[in-house]
Amino acid sequence: KQEVTQIPAALSVPEGENLVLNCSFTDSAIYNLQWFRQDPGKGLTSLLLIQSSQREQTSGRLNASLDKSSGRSTLYIAASQPGDSATYLCAVDPGTYKYIFGTGTRLKVLA
Amino acid sequence: DAMVIQNPRYQVTQFGKPVTLSCSQTLNHNVMYWYQQKSSQAPKLLFHYYDKDFNNEADTPDNFQSRRPNTSFCFLDIRSPGLGDAAMYLCATSIGLAGEDEQFFGPGTRLTVL
Repeated sequence: KQEVTQIPAALSVPEGENLVLNCSFTDSAIYNLQWFRQDPGKGLTSLLLIQSSQREQTSGRLNASLDKSSGRSTLYIAASQPGDSATYLCAVDPGTYKYIFGTGTRLKVLA
Repeated sequence: DAMVIQNPRYQVTQFGKPVTLSCSQTLNHNVMYWYQQKSSQAPKLLFHYYDKDFNNEADTPDNFQSRRPNTSFCFLDIRSPGLGDAAMYLCATSIGLAGEDEQFFGPGTRLTVL
């Protein structure tokens, strides 16, 4: 059974720091991995989608990497800003159209 | 441009009083999903439709039902809401192409059960 873990559960950093969020999954047989952002009381916003054949994807200050063999993905946020404060969720697609989510990392960027 | 729309954004119901949540999409995606998310937890998949094919998760209570009358709309019916059903309900869509499937979420409906 696929399990997705995100560590740490919460993180506080001062503004301007570069940071890395981690996502681990137990079964490497995935079709893709998606990173989301969720603001309090809101829906999920898609940040990056990495297909199984890709190693990384970039969007602005965000870079996500995927290492299927080790069951890991990282989301790198450069030059963090207070507006980046949110919960970040990763989810894997095992190819059944049923994404499996991690419990998220709650990020707070201090001004 | 709104792509996945959920109505209402906030719903208050009484214990045991049926409630229907609505989701619509302008993306013409094949797959529509309903998730339940409780505070500080990961979204939990309740069911999904691939076109008209309904796929129920094994642990979704019978109290939860869904309808998809056409490509654009999907409804979540909670027949007899209990206090434990208070949560955020998220609708999502995806195109349905294996390996390229990106999910797009609506803003969610916050359900309160009194």
